[in-house]
Amino acid sequence: GEDVEQSLFLSVREGDSSVINCTYTDSSSTYLYWYKQEPGAGLQLLTYIFSNMDMKQDQRLTVLLNKKDKHLSLRIADTQTGDSAIYFCAESTGYSTLTFGKGTMLLVSP
Amino acid sequence: EPEVTQTPSHQVTQMGQEVILRCVPISNHLYFYWYRQILGQKVEFLVSFYNNEISEKSEIFDDQFSVERPDGSNFTLKIRSTKLEDSAMYFCASNENTEAFFGQGTRLTVV
Repeated sequence: GEDVEQSLFLSVREGDSSVINCTYTDSSSTYLYWYKQEPGAGLQLLTYIFSNMDMKQDQRLTVLLNKKDKHLSLRIADTQTGDSAIYFCAESTGYSTLTFGKGTMLLVSP
Repeated sequence: EPEVTQTPSHQVTQMGQEVILRCVPISNHLYFYWYRQILGQKVEFLVSFYNNEISEKSEIFDDQFSVERPDGSNFTLKIRSTKLEDSAMYFCASNENTEAFFGQGTRLTVV
């Protein structure tokens, strides 16, 4: 079945860039997503990318997709303490269900 | 901004009891979902719902679970005879096209 893998933890200093990586197995994945979950809160959609794109930029967020290697990354520029959260990578084939990774906990220190 | 709302935010129930988790999806959305997240684990798909019927369900979604859209706005998840291992955060989601919007979740604690 489909699987999505992420590293579990990333620690950065405020002002640095953060790069969170994700790999997936389903070659039919059409959409790849990044969700953010703050403590005790729900899942907030940050951004998504179509599988026919290799990059998408949205303010401080840059998503890179290497479809050949099935590798997705989320870069957060000028990381702030408010960015501390768990970041989930997810994939789907459109209206189908989302398959999530286990999440990467990002800790931003002052 | 429209949002998915879930009630209650936290539900404590005794083992063996039935619970109903409620969700109000975004009004013009057509696809509805329930996911769950056991503490410290990944978010897992339970069931999807479209055109007033289940369109897909996972192995987790057995006879203990049921979903219903009793009126034009609510989307409910019923868990019969709850077990300790049903303790989790349950998320409702809805989408219109490619973006799935999630509610804040209901934390279910079975004691």
